[in-house]
Amino acid sequence: AQRVTQPEKLLSVFKGAPVELKCNYSYSGSPELFWYVQYSRQRLQLLLRHISRESIKGFTADLNKGETSFHLKKPFAQEEDSAMYYCALSGAGTASKLTFGTGTRLQVTL
Amino acid sequence: DTAVSQTPKYLVTQMGNDKSIKCEQNLGHDTMYWYKQDSKKFLKIMFSYNNKELIINETVPNRFSPKSPDKAHLNLHINSLELGDSAVYFCASSPTGGGTDTQYFGPGTRLTVL
Repeated sequence: AQRVTQPEKLLSVFKGAPVELKCNYSYSGSPELFWYVQYSRQRLQLLLRHISRESIKGFTADLNKGETSFHLKKPFAQEEDSAMYYCALSGAGTASKLTFGTGTRLQVTL
Repeated sequence: DTAVSQTPKYLVTQMGNDKSIKCEQNLGHDTMYWYKQDSKKFLKIMFSYNNKELIINETVPNRFSPKSPDKAHLNLHINSLELGDSAVYFCASSPTGGGTDTQYFGPGTRLTVL
C-alpha cells in the first residue's frame, strides 16, 4: 500500500522567512514523488517532481529514501506562495495510482 | 486554450436525484481520472481510464459510474445522490498514465446535495 503523510494542516510564516513543508511516504517499491499546489481560485497544478531535480518558483524538494521524506523548501517566503500544497506519490510503472497527502495550507503574512 | 475542462462548475441537487458531470481534455492525453476532494480538502482518486478502458477503480459505491465515449472525454454519472456525496470532484488527464506523468487538473465541480 502507498501512503503519504503531511503532518501540518496549516503552516504560517512571515514574508522573507524560510519555509519547509513536510512530507513522508510509505511505499514498498521505487516511488515517484510530486508536489502539487492549489492557489486560491485556481486549479491544482504541478509544482515540481523529484525526477526533474529542478527549482520552481524558488522551491526545491529532495527525495530522502533513508528517511522516506520529500520535504518542500524555500529559503524566503513570498506572499504569493500562500496556497494549499499537496505531496503526492506514484509507483514507477504504467497504470500507476497517484496518492495524495492531506495537504498543508501555507499562509505567508507580512 | 489547451486544458482540462469540466461542466458544470457548481451543482446543487436534492438527495435521491441522478446527476452527471462532464470532463473533456484537448491535450491529446491517453489517460483521464476522477478525484473526489472532501470538506477537509483531502484528494482521493476514484477512477482512471486509459484510451477508453477502465484502469483504476477504487472502492467507490457503484452508484458512481464513469463513462468514456472517447479518450478525450470522461464523464461521471452519480445515481441516488446522498448527503455524503457533497464534495468537489476533479477531473484530470495525463499523457500515458505512467507513474512519472504529470497530471493536469480541471477546475473542479462543487457538488452540493441537500
